[in-house]
Amino acid sequence: EPEVTQTPSHQVTQMGQEVILRCVPISNHLYFYWYRQILGQKVEFLVSFYNNEISEKSEIFDDQFSVERPDGSNFTLKIRSTKLEDSAMYFCASGLSGRSPYEQYFGPGTRLTVT
Amino acid sequence: AQSVTQLDSHVSVSEGTPVLLRCNYSSSYSPSLFWYVQHPNKGLQLLLKYTSAATLVKGINGFEAEFKKSETSFHLTKPSAHMSDAAEYFCVVRLNTGNQFYFGTGTSLTVIP
Repeated sequence: EPEVTQTPSHQVTQMGQEVILRCVPISNHLYFYWYRQILGQKVEFLVSFYNNEISEKSEIFDDQFSVERPDGSNFTLKIRSTKLEDSAMYFCASGLSGRSPYEQYFGPGTRLTVT
Repeated sequence: AQSVTQLDSHVSVSEGTPVLLRCNYSSSYSPSLFWYVQHPNKGLQLLLKYTSAATLVKGINGFEAEFKKSETSFHLTKPSAHMSDAAEYFCVVRLNTGNQFYFGTGTSLTVIP
């Protein structure tokens, strides 16, 4: 069964460094998403991406964040200058359609630790 | 404003007994509702979904959920818990504006042998 994959599973970085989290969505999906979950808190939406552009973003997704689909298979989340509060589990998701049934398929997550 | 509320952060049941995980949502319109499960070190797996068809939704692994508009609820049930059901369960709502999902805080299910 097709799956969303994410690499790395765990990333440790120093404050102020740039990180790129990578995701390979399911191959025929058209909608792509990033969510994050700070330890002990709920999963929060960051951004959605369709047709090579951002379609929605939350207030969390500020200028430090960017997304890209560089080669038609990968979907990346870049954090330009990491802060301690960026430490979280980051989930990538993909969906075939923006219409019903609106299913999103999630990857296993990347745990980002900023020290 | 809370879009989705999971009433129990932890639920513990004995193997073979029923499971009830509660979820309430707030939405002006009929939303799309989902239950996802997360086993340790695994991704979020879709259990079932409600998207304005039948109000009783059957999912994988024997789970069901009933959409009750009058109660704004979408509780997850299973008649008989199995050890492999121990995991974190998330109730998720998609409102009628946009595609983003709103997650509940999760319910951790423990199954006692």
